[in-house]
Amino acid sequence: DAKTTQPTSMDCAEGRAANLPCNHSTISGNEYVYWYRQIHSQGPQYIIHGLKNNETNEMASLIITEDRKSSTLILPHATLRDTAVYYCIVRPITSGTYKYIFGTGTRLKVLA
Amino acid sequence: NAGVTQTPKFQVLKTGQSMTLQCAQDMNHEYMSWYRQDPGMGLRLIHYSVGAGITDQGEVPNGYNVSRSTTEDFPLRLLSAAPSQTSVYFCASRRQGGDTIYFGEGSWLTVV
Repeated sequence: DAKTTQPTSMDCAEGRAANLPCNHSTISGNEYVYWYRQIHSQGPQYIIHGLKNNETNEMASLIITEDRKSSTLILPHATLRDTAVYYCIVRPITSGTYKYIFGTGTRLKVLA
Repeated sequence: NAGVTQTPKFQVLKTGQSMTLQCAQDMNHEYMSWYRQDPGMGLRLIHYSVGAGITDQGEVPNGYNVSRSTTEDFPLRLLSAAPSQTSVYFCASRRQGGDTIYFGEGSWLTVV
């Protein structure tokens, strides 16, 4: 299974875009990229996922490089409530028995 | 709309005691799992199940037992509590092949 590498922490000014990178250089062709976030003391929350095309939903955008070895989660207008730990996960398309490994994630602090 | 329900929310145990953390989901999800999260750390997978009667080990299974007699319930048993098991425990579920993992609100366990 592909491993992911994320920066330990990042800061972002409120109202600005937060760009969170993830490296998954060993990703294979049948693996999705997923993003979750965990707001202090709560269970993680699904944000977005993609295979090779860029994706956007009401929470965020996901940009995946053409070679799929890295991706960036974009929160277009970060608010204080976006302060959280963000996890990048890679998992196979056929995920019936897949063990979701969360890692340590990126701690994003949105500054007023 | 309950989702994933964990009980108890808080528990203090003495070293050597045993206890069971309860987890129930009402979404008819096949896949359920338990994670632990130590202070300032990411989530680590303890055990998971892909359906009733089927369980498997995650990253850190030692000291814990699970069973899955029904689709709805996935209890986590601490056999003989140790201070190293002081942590926050999260139960999660998802539909087989589904994109989103749903987490419970967490159970805070302190072993003294």
